[in-house]
Amino acid sequence: NAGVTQTPKFQVLKTGQSMTLQCAQDMNHEYMSWYRQDPGMGLRLIHYSVGAGITDQGEVPNGYNVSRSTTEDFPLRLLSAAPSQTSVYFCASSYSPRTGLFFGSGTQLSVL
Amino acid sequence: GQQLNQSPQSMFIQEGEDVSMNCTSSSIFNTWLWYKQDPGEGPVLLIALYKAGELTSNGRLTAQFGITRKDSFLNISASIPSDVGIYFCAGQGGDTGTASKLTFGTGTRLQVTL
Repeated sequence: NAGVTQTPKFQVLKTGQSMTLQCAQDMNHEYMSWYRQDPGMGLRLIHYSVGAGITDQGEVPNGYNVSRSTTEDFPLRLLSAAPSQTSVYFCASSYSPRTGLFFGSGTQLSVL
Repeated sequence: GQQLNQSPQSMFIQEGEDVSMNCTSSSIFNTWLWYKQDPGEGPVLLIALYKAGELTSNGRLTAQFGITRKDSFLNISASIPSDVGIYFCAGQGGDTGTASKLTFGTGTRLQVTL
């Protein structure tokens, strides 16, 4: 059982480039979410989805886009990368946030 | 946006010592969760608390849901080297506006000396 799979593990971008961080889960979870982790700031919610076709903004959504066409996949798109988006990104899923999230192993992104 | 305040921010302890950390909020939560993050990995759920005053254990870990619903505590007894990592609290529901979000604390970094 793979759980939550994130790709790539590491990525370096130049300012202005776009890219997609992939996230897939095989636990049939309806709820999926993206967080970014910065030193001293904990985990901050970017976007989340309560089911296929439904997405909503979290605490820090600017510069990011998401879609949820299937239950399994929840990609995160950086539209025009900026140095402020240098961070570690985590995808997570669950039946409900109340029961706790299962996290992927993260994508370390550097924007130069 | 709201963040939960965790204290201490970091701590060094000797192997075998007991550890206490806490998390406070200005908002009421319906659920408190505690996570541990190892280097290079995503956080892993340790304990979930669903009722004010609830005390729950998981091996050497014990967590409590504060009576005011604005705080939670995590204790680790007889620490061992593998307890090293970052511990996060997270709150869900309550008066934060939506049940569909988890709000995370800033983390407590635990380092154990032999």
